[in-house]
Amino acid sequence: EDQVTQSPEALRLQEGESSSLNCSYTVSGLRGLFWYRQDPGKGPEFLFTLYSAGEEKEKERLKATLTKKESFLHITAPKPEDSATYLCAVQGQGTDKLIFGTGTRLQVFP
Amino acid sequence: SAVISQKPSRDICQRGTSLTIQCQVDSQVTMMFWYRQQPGQSLTLIATANQGSEATYESGFVIDKFPISRPNLTFSTLTVSNMSPEDSSIYLCSVEVVSDEQYFGPGTRLTVT
Repeated sequence: EDQVTQSPEALRLQEGESSSLNCSYTVSGLRGLFWYRQDPGKGPEFLFTLYSAGEEKEKERLKATLTKKESFLHITAPKPEDSATYLCAVQGQGTDKLIFGTGTRLQVFP
Repeated sequence: SAVISQKPSRDICQRGTSLTIQCQVDSQVTMMFWYRQQPGQSLTLIATANQGSEATYESGFVIDKFPISRPNLTFSTLTVSNMSPEDSSIYLCSVEVVSDEQYFGPGTRLTVT
């Protein structure tokens, strides 16, 4: 069964303190791995799609990496506005269905 | 990307009643989806809304409980029927504009009393 596990559940960082969020997955044939950001009361905001092991993508202070079993979302020198829940999802071959993890709630304090 | 709107943004309903949620996209899209996000849980796909044909439902979701319409390429509705408190959740529509990129609407927060 396809599954996504995210850790930690919650993360508190001081402004400027870099860290990484983890997304472990099992899927029968990976079509894509997705990262989203979700602010309270809003829908998920698309960040990245990764397709194959070794791939990396960057956007501002965020960098996503992918291996055959997990993905990391690295946050460099975070700011308070980076506070949000970060969701990871996988999509298997032959389907449009996204399977989501439960997310990591990030809080960045000034 | 795409601009996606949902109506209503939130509602409080009595058990046994039904609520229809609307999803409007600012461009024509082939793929539209409906998800549920229960408190403290991950997003779960309810169904894929197919234009011109019946929706495709995921395991655990049935048409009688969650009827879906997709009259054109920019609009879809999800009805939550005969509601119970367990249906309290956030309901989200999403669209695939570019291959392998799904964009989500703002969600509808439903509370059933």
